[in-house]
Amino acid sequence: KQEVTQIPAALSVPEGENLVLNCSFTDSAIYNLQWFRQDPGKGLTSLLLIQSSQREQTSGRLNASLDKSSGRSTLYIAASQPGDSATYLCAAQYIFGTGTRLKVLA
Amino acid sequence: DVKVTQSSRYLVKRTGEKVFLECVQDMDHENMFWYRQDPGLGLRLIYFSYDVKMKEKGDIPEGYSVSREKKERFSLILESASTNQTSMYLCASSTPDGGDTEAFFGQGTRLTVV
Repeated sequence: KQEVTQIPAALSVPEGENLVLNCSFTDSAIYNLQWFRQDPGKGLTSLLLIQSSQREQTSGRLNASLDKSSGRSTLYIAASQPGDSATYLCAAQYIFGTGTRLKVLA
Repeated sequence: DVKVTQSSRYLVKRTGEKVFLECVQDMDHENMFWYRQDPGLGLRLIYFSYDVKMKEKGDIPEGYSVSREKKERFSLILESASTNQTSMYLCASSTPDGGDTEAFFGQGTRLTVV
């Protein structure tokens, strides 16, 4: 059974820092891995989708990588801003981790 | 703009009631999903459907059933609501595995069972 873990559970950083969020999964037989953002009380917004044949995807200040063999994905956020404050979730083949709650301080 | 729409944003129901949560997508997606989200437990998959009238149990199907009579609509049914089913319910849709399988979510339904 697929299990997804996200570390750290919470993170607080000053504005402008580059940061890395981690996601690990136990079953490497996945078609894709997806990163989402969730604001309090809201639904999930898709950030990046990495197909199993890909190593990384980029969108603006966000870069996500995937290493299936080691069961790991990272989300890199460059030059963080207060508007990035949210919970970030990864999903391996539709199974979710519990998220990283990010707070970017102005 | 892709859209997954859940019928209610907030819902309050009494213990023992039969509850229907509706989800509609306009992207012609084959896959549809129902999750519940609870503090500290994250999103847990209740049921998913990969085609009309097809369904598969997720990790926590007990106390729930689903219906998919049309491709665009996926309903979650609480046969007899209980207080431990108070939660945020999220619906999602995607294309089948092997393609561009980006999943899109609705805005969520916060259900309170009293």
